[in-house]
Amino acid sequence: EVQLLESGGGLVQPGGSLRLSCAASGFSFSAYGMNWVRQPPGKGLEWVSGIPGSGGNTYYADSLKGQFTISRDNSKNTLYLQINNLRAEDTAVYYCAKERFTTTVADSFDYWGQGTLVTVSS
Amino acid sequence: DIQMTQSPSTLSASVGDRVTITCRASQNIHIWLAWYQQKPGKSPKLLIFETSRLESGVPSRFSGRGSGTEFTLTISSLQPDDFATYYCQDYSSLYAATFGQGTKVEI
Repeated sequence: EVQLLESGGGLVQPGGSLRLSCAASGFSFSAYGMNWVRQPPGKGLEWVSGIPGSGGNTYYADSLKGQFTISRDNSKNTLYLQINNLRAEDTAVYYCAKERFTTTVADSFDYWGQGTLVTVSS
Repeated sequence: DIQMTQSPSTLSASVGDRVTITCRASQNIHIWLAWYQQKPGKSPKLLIFETSRLESGVPSRFSGRGSGTEFTLTISSLQPDDFATYYCQDYSSLYAATFGQGTKVEI
């Protein structure tokens, strides 16, 4: 059974940083691209970033470049998202999501974690 | 950037109704469109990919059509479990994805 378990969210002051983690199990982690998608409270979904199974190139939404860094450790079956210079508008549930196909990044996502809430407030 | 616009934003329907949600892209995205269902407090669930391909385990009352810039998700006979918010997602751009703003299906 595929499982994705995010952690690392919480309350952070404006200007602060966080590293989110997503622990994966139940599939060949290194074979699949992975993504982060966020959802502000009561609002819609926004793709943030993606990374291929090999962990080579990384990809970001144009509006979010520079603030986020995606990475993965295939030996630990874990995906990460480093978020710097947090602002109130970054308050959201952050989901990790698995690519449906092995060769893609930012394609369709067949499994999602339960999400981790990041709240940016003083 | 590609913009995805869903209509309506909210849809009121009854059990047994045939329901159609529309998603329009600001430019040609061919068939590279997915649909997700999200219930309150839950993560999204993939329903359809590549415009019309049903994800495994998804009931056959869900169907998708379209190409280019206009796409639809149809629920042939609405069931109590289908009351949720539905999102379309474009993935025609290499290494980027864009979601529509969502359509809430309510009683």
